[in-house]
Amino acid sequence: TQLLEQSPQFLSIQEGENLTVYCNSSSVFSSLQWYRQEPGEGPVLLVTVVTGGEVKKLKRLTFQFGDARKDSSLHITAAQPGDTGLYLCAGRIYNQGGKLIFGQGTELSVKP
Amino acid sequence: DTAVSQTPKYLVTQMGNDKSIKCEQNLGHDTMYWYKQDSKKFLKIMFSYNNKELIINETVPNRFSPKSPDKAHLNLHINSLELGDSAVYFCASSQDLAYNEQFFGPGTRLTVL
Repeated sequence: TQLLEQSPQFLSIQEGENLTVYCNSSSVFSSLQWYRQEPGEGPVLLVTVVTGGEVKKLKRLTFQFGDARKDSSLHITAAQPGDTGLYLCAGRIYNQGGKLIFGQGTELSVKP
Repeated sequence: DTAVSQTPKYLVTQMGNDKSIKCEQNLGHDTMYWYKQDSKKFLKIMFSYNNKELIINETVPNRFSPKSPDKAHLNLHINSLELGDSAVYFCASSQDLAYNEQFFGPGTRLTVL
């Protein structure tokens, strides 16, 4: 059974602070995605990382894929209240018909 | 012009009833999915269809039966509803099986009393 351990599950910080969310697995993924979900809505894709060691930046968000393609991190610099939401990592399994394995999610609350 | 739509948004029903959730995508995608998100926000795949063909059936009880009348629709019918079926159900689509990004619908919150 493939598992993707995401931590922390809950994070409450002040505006302007930095934070990092981690996703770890013993499985190798063909790619890893990060989604953000607002209350009452479906997840929306933020980024896909494909190559081991890859780093992608999206404004104040930095995403990294581990060299062995088993782990990933999301770093937010100078968090803002608008960053509040549920962040989900999802690993794509090789040759399993588009199947995504999701982490447990990180509920981020950024207080002004 | 919603990309992936689901109806209903909320569904409250009694144990033992049968209910359906409808999903439609207007993105021209080949692949569609059903996910279940539990009370702890954990999202787990249930089914995927590619060009109306079942690809993934993730050990879901056979009370759950997906039906894909065409590429743009993937409906979920649930028989003999149980308390443990209460969750948010998300439909999603992707261009094809090889394409990474999945587009999610707004979800259907099912409450079984």
